[in-house]
Amino acid sequence: DIVMTQTPLSLPVTLGQSASISCTSSQSLVTSDGRTFLSWFHQRPGQPPRLLIYKVSYRLSGVPDRFSGSGAGTDFTLRISRVEAEDVGLYYCMQASQVPWTFGQGTKVEVK
Amino acid sequence: EVQLVESGGGLVQPGGSLRLSCAASGFLFSSTWMGWVRQPPGRGLEWVANIKTDGSRTYYLDSVKGRFTFSRDNAKNSVYLQMDSLRVEDTAVYYCVRHGDYTFDYWGQGTLVTVSS
Repeated sequence: DIVMTQTPLSLPVTLGQSASISCTSSQSLVTSDGRTFLSWFHQRPGQPPRLLIYKVSYRLSGVPDRFSGSGAGTDFTLRISRVEAEDVGLYYCMQASQVPWTFGQGTKVEVK
Repeated sequence: EVQLVESGGGLVQPGGSLRLSCAASGFLFSSTWMGWVRQPPGRGLEWVANIKTDGSRTYYLDSVKGRFTFSRDNAKNSVYLQMDSLRVEDTAVYYCVRHGDYTFDYWGQGTLVTVSS
């Protein structure tokens, strides 16, 4: 199984500043046809996760453009520019390039 | 509006069974893969199972193979997760999810399954 490792596990942020979360996979997420399936989710306390980014950098309709994804191969990044109060919570990366689809352990974003 | 509503969770003893249901609306259900993802209390997310549009193919997490059965009824816009031989480590909130483009683009609110004596 592909292991997804997120850093940091805890990220104190200042409102209005930017924040970045890293996600590293134990093997390349590039499939045989050259595609890469890496997603990012946000989960607020007591709520289900919500999809933000898929296929590394595609933002789901309705997701604010302050969220962006990048990366390739085994190293991926979620960036939040101009962090807002509603952005606190847990962030998970997930790979869907190989079954079983696997998640990172989560990064907790909180306001300093 | 896409909606996924789970039901069927509860308290069960180890070795017991539960059947989860998920009613879907707001999209063309019969053309969409569906799945289940679980989250143990205070912990991270774990994919459990997927099912193809017509129910002809299913995929399972190794630890639930042979114990869980994922099925769907396209006439009722519903999916089901039959869980047998439940273990304490199956305790979690179970989310019904809709497949997007190699991702999960919509999630239900979840239903809590507690396996305890």
